[in-house]
Amino acid sequence: DTEVTQTPKHLVMGMTNKKSLKCEQHMGHRAMYWYKQKAKKPPELMFVYSYEKLSINESVPSRFSPECPNSSLLNLHLHALQPEDSALYLCASHPAEGVSYGYTFGSGTRLTVV
Amino acid sequence: QQPVQSPQAVILREGEDAVINCSSSKALYSVHWYRQKHGEAPVFLMILLKGGEQKGHDKISASFNEKKQQSSLYLTASQLSYSGTYFCGTRPVVDKLIFGTGTLLAVQP
Repeated sequence: DTEVTQTPKHLVMGMTNKKSLKCEQHMGHRAMYWYKQKAKKPPELMFVYSYEKLSINESVPSRFSPECPNSSLLNLHLHALQPEDSALYLCASHPAEGVSYGYTFGSGTRLTVV
Repeated sequence: QQPVQSPQAVILREGEDAVINCSSSKALYSVHWYRQKHGEAPVFLMILLKGGEQKGHDKISASFNEKKQQSSLYLTASQLSYSGTYFCGTRPVVDKLIFGTGTLLAVQP
């Protein structure tokens, strides 16, 4: 299995809702990432988990809460989002060891906050 | 810290060549290249690890000039399937991949 699977593919939520995005990989990768991508912009790094520990938080607002329950799963919990948080949220994974590997991305969750 | 790419956009006819440049104000230790088609995930193309390294597969190749902190992606005899947005990426620290500003490539019949 060489894929990163993200669910749901689309999500519409109100500003008072709580929802979660899910990401799964079975490649044995030990680093997992959340990126946010606005239209016509490059993906922006949000969080990095390395060996199930949060290693990088790019000063993301607390209304985004990541979780890594095990080495194959990554969640992003959403609460009290703003309309400007509407974007494509991409999950990625990397072996963690070795610098000669690229990142594998999921196809993303397109989030709309209303 | 974000690498700057040029051009921002390029339109080609099938069979034409293109060069996409990636430039960083900080030292580059490696350079990744990705292609993202509209509505899809970025797809890894290649990674260059050493200054002077050149790589390629099929008709897409890249070079890395460590001293100039630059990398270039070369697309030869472009095909319709090459259309998409190309991003370079750098890793200023382990585990942190930062994407360049992006280059939109459109290949027309």
